[in-house]
Amino acid sequence: DAGVIQSPRHEVTEMGQEVTLRCKPISGHNSLFWYRQTMMRGLELLIYFNNNVPIDDSGMPEDRFSAKMPNASFSTLKIQPSEPRDSAVYFCASSKTGGTEAFFGQGTRLTVV
Amino acid sequence: EDQVTQSPEALRLQEGESSSLNCSYTVSGLRGLFWYRQDPGKGPEFLFTLYSAGEEKEKERLKATLTKKESFLHITAPKPEDSATYLCAGLSSGTYKYIFGTGTRLKVLA
Repeated sequence: DAGVIQSPRHEVTEMGQEVTLRCKPISGHNSLFWYRQTMMRGLELLIYFNNNVPIDDSGMPEDRFSAKMPNASFSTLKIQPSEPRDSAVYFCASSKTGGTEAFFGQGTRLTVV
Repeated sequence: EDQVTQSPEALRLQEGESSSLNCSYTVSGLRGLFWYRQDPGKGPEFLFTLYSAGEEKEKERLKATLTKKESFLHITAPKPEDSATYLCAGLSSGTYKYIFGTGTRLKVLA
């Protein structure tokens, strides 16, 4: 298996623009997580899906952030409009529900200027 | 509120100098305690899962242990290639969310 695949790896955008991050989880995994990592706050959980259904989005910072999982093999995280304080590395992770380890993608480094 | 705290924030060791990293947790109904390694520019890489107090897991120079309140990652005779950030995470049985600590940045000097 190729692991969790994220795209793009790097994104530079101007303030106010829409940004879409993409994730393909590991086949057979039914839980998917979006995390944001910064030096100040470490890894923060943004949203958690189970069987394609959003279970907990309490970590989504504002209404500017939205996430979807239309099927078991694809998820998106969208920021509209983007702001400089959204600059961070965004990770997608997947796992099998039930307490097993989560596997992470390589991340998307987002820079909003 | 579920919380995971790691210490120290940063650690510098000489090659061969053994040490331990600490992970203290308050996670409701802990379902598992996970250790990850993260290299610069990469995603966290899974190392160990511990499920119950008293459990130990080993991999090369690393050994992870678990008590009811904390976990330790022991590094024996480290090498420069062990330099990385080590993260621990607790998984709550109530929410099924992985709660991460802020990590320990380890630097092993040759």
